[in-house]
Amino acid sequence: DAGVTQSPTHLIKTRGQQVTLRCSPKSGHDTVSWYQQALGQGPQFIFQYYEEEERQRGNFPDRFSGHQFPNYSSELNVNALLLGDSALYLCASSTDLQAYGYTFGSGTRLTVV
Amino acid sequence: GENVEQHPSTLSVQEGDSAVIKCTYSDSASNYFPWYKQELGKRPQLIIDIRSNVGEKKDQRIAVTLNKTAKHFSLHITETQPEDSAVYFCAAPWDSGNTGKLIFGQGTTLQVKP
Repeated sequence: DAGVTQSPTHLIKTRGQQVTLRCSPKSGHDTVSWYQQALGQGPQFIFQYYEEEERQRGNFPDRFSGHQFPNYSSELNVNALLLGDSALYLCASSTDLQAYGYTFGSGTRLTVV
Repeated sequence: GENVEQHPSTLSVQEGDSAVIKCTYSDSASNYFPWYKQELGKRPQLIIDIRSNVGEKKDQRIAVTLNKTAKHFSLHITETQPEDSAVYFCAAPWDSGNTGKLIFGQGTTLQVKP
């Protein structure tokens, strides 16, 4: 399967803990964008990585950070978890030339208790 | 930056009827407008998109129309089927710089009753 894969699929963490979510982009894609989707809401842009650097950032605090590796895979890290961080975290990959040609992963459901 | 408003939040239709979902945007420079379908527990999937140089695009039972003057675009689904039941999201670019950052609407839950 050459689609976008995310891991883990589900995760339960305690307030104050740290979490790392992972994303492998679709084959041929070099750009990874992360979105947070709260229950009943549309996805909200967290940040985007291209050439191993954060290229765009949404309105999220510094507790949210990321990384992109040479193989284009990416990680999303969230520190000092809050109850409000509970959401579905979606990874979308695309190419630099077709920046809006997203392929979404199935997401990681994070629950903070 | 862009702001996207989507209406209605829920829509219930009988099988075979048409469904229309409307989105408005704020940045007149926006040039790309995708629609995503998200079934329960699944990933959002692009179903149709339109660029600002055309006013309408069709793909079988799905069409999208764009009114640049009024800054709104709509998703039209004809001859609805139960498998069309899902949450639909519209989106628009954050800016005109081809950054790849999309702003999504709040979503419309479409229920097609058999």
